[in-house]
Amino acid sequence: AIQLTQSPSSLSASVGDRVTITCRASQGISSALAWYQQKPGKAPKLLIQDASRLESGVPSRFSGSGSGTDFTLTISSLQPEDFATYYCQQFTSYPLTFGPGTKVHIK
Amino acid sequence: EVQLVESGGVVVQPGGSLRLSCSASGFTFDDYTIHWVRQASGKGLEWVSLISWDGDSTYYADSVKGRFTISRDNSKNSLFLQMNSLRTEDTALYYCAKGPLYGSGSYGPFDYWGQGTLVTVSS
Repeated sequence: AIQLTQSPSSLSASVGDRVTITCRASQGISSALAWYQQKPGKAPKLLIQDASRLESGVPSRFSGSGSGTDFTLTISSLQPEDFATYYCQQFTSYPLTFGPGTKVHIK
Repeated sequence: EVQLVESGGVVVQPGGSLRLSCSASGFTFDDYTIHWVRQASGKGLEWVSLISWDGDSTYYADSVKGRFTISRDNSKNSLFLQMNSLRTEDTALYYCAKGPLYGSGSYGPFDYWGQGTLVTVSS
């Protein structure tokens, strides 16, 4: 199975900060990577698919990049509603796997 | 509006069985793969199973293979997960999630999720 690691596991940031989360795959997955945002008590929400394609309705302050084994999710200017846990997911092969998550806290 | 509504989660004893359901609306159900994903309290997301648009192909995580069976009834826009030989480690919130269109050549991602149904395995 393809393993995904995320760093950091948690971070504290202030409104307006630029935040970068990384996701590394144990083997190459081309661009078959998605990013999800999950708030407490809510289902995950798809933000980005195919490593860099922003979902409709997702604010442009979110962006994704990378291919192969190394990927990043960037929030250009953190907003109060962005405090949440972020997961990456690979969908190139079974079993589909998620990263362990990165929790973004308010500083 | 796309909606996925899970049901069937209850408290069950170890070794017991349970059938989860997911009712879909707002999209052409039989055009899409559908997944089950679970999340233990305070933990991360774990993919559980997938069924193809026509039900002909199914896949499972190793942790549930041989114990869980995914199925669908396209005439009723419904997805099911039959869970047998339940273990305490199966305790989690179970989500159904909409995957890609058939023929897309892709296994994901999941663009819509339900709100989940809670399965508790405890004596």
